[in-house]
Amino acid sequence: KAGVTQTPRYLIKTRGQQVTLSCSPISGHRSVSWYQQTPGQGLQFLFEYFSETQRNKGNFPGRFSGRQFSNSRSEMNVSTLELGDSALYLCASSGGGNGEQYFGPGTRLTVT
Amino acid sequence: GESVGLHLPTLSVQEGDNSIINCAYSNSASDYFIWYKQESGKGPQFIIDIRSNMDKRQGQRVTVLLNKTVKHLSLQIAATQPGDSAVYFCAERAYNQGGKLIFGQGTELSVKP
Repeated sequence: KAGVTQTPRYLIKTRGQQVTLSCSPISGHRSVSWYQQTPGQGLQFLFEYFSETQRNKGNFPGRFSGRQFSNSRSEMNVSTLELGDSALYLCASSGGGNGEQYFGPGTRLTVT
Repeated sequence: GESVGLHLPTLSVQEGDNSIINCAYSNSASDYFIWYKQESGKGPQFIIDIRSNMDKRQGQRVTVLLNKTVKHLSLQIAATQPGDSAVYFCAERAYNQGGKLIFGQGTELSVKP
């Protein structure tokens, strides 16, 4: 099976812009979770989608949003970008009985 | 956001030695735990998991120990190899939190040949 894929891998944006990141889960997985990884805060949970519905949400401002499509692919959007949004954004898919999550390679977002 | 721990400890071991990476978790309602390995430029890679009804679980060269009394998790790597050099994260999930994982800050393992 192909693993979790994320596009784009790298992105440079300026403050105030918005960005959309894409994630394709492992075939058959219906749950997609998003995380933000920074050196100072580590890995932090953004949100989880299951069958096109947001099932869980972390403590991030409303500028961070997401959605999931009927084929389980997911997108996350960040509006009005701030310098502090520079991070590695990771997507993880889950479909196993234990709920183990498998991560993609991430999208490296740099905000200037 | 939520996180466990405030700094990235490092562990340096000689090739062939055993490594023990420790993690303290915070939520007594957590019932599922995972260890991940992250190499530079890559996403976290699943290593091994354990449910709260177990104390120990073994994989290939790795063993996870869970002490619920003191909310402590450890990852033991036998015969550590240079390819094991990476940052290792523990993650916890509460039974009512779906796919929401809370990650520790990680431990950097450096293996000297």
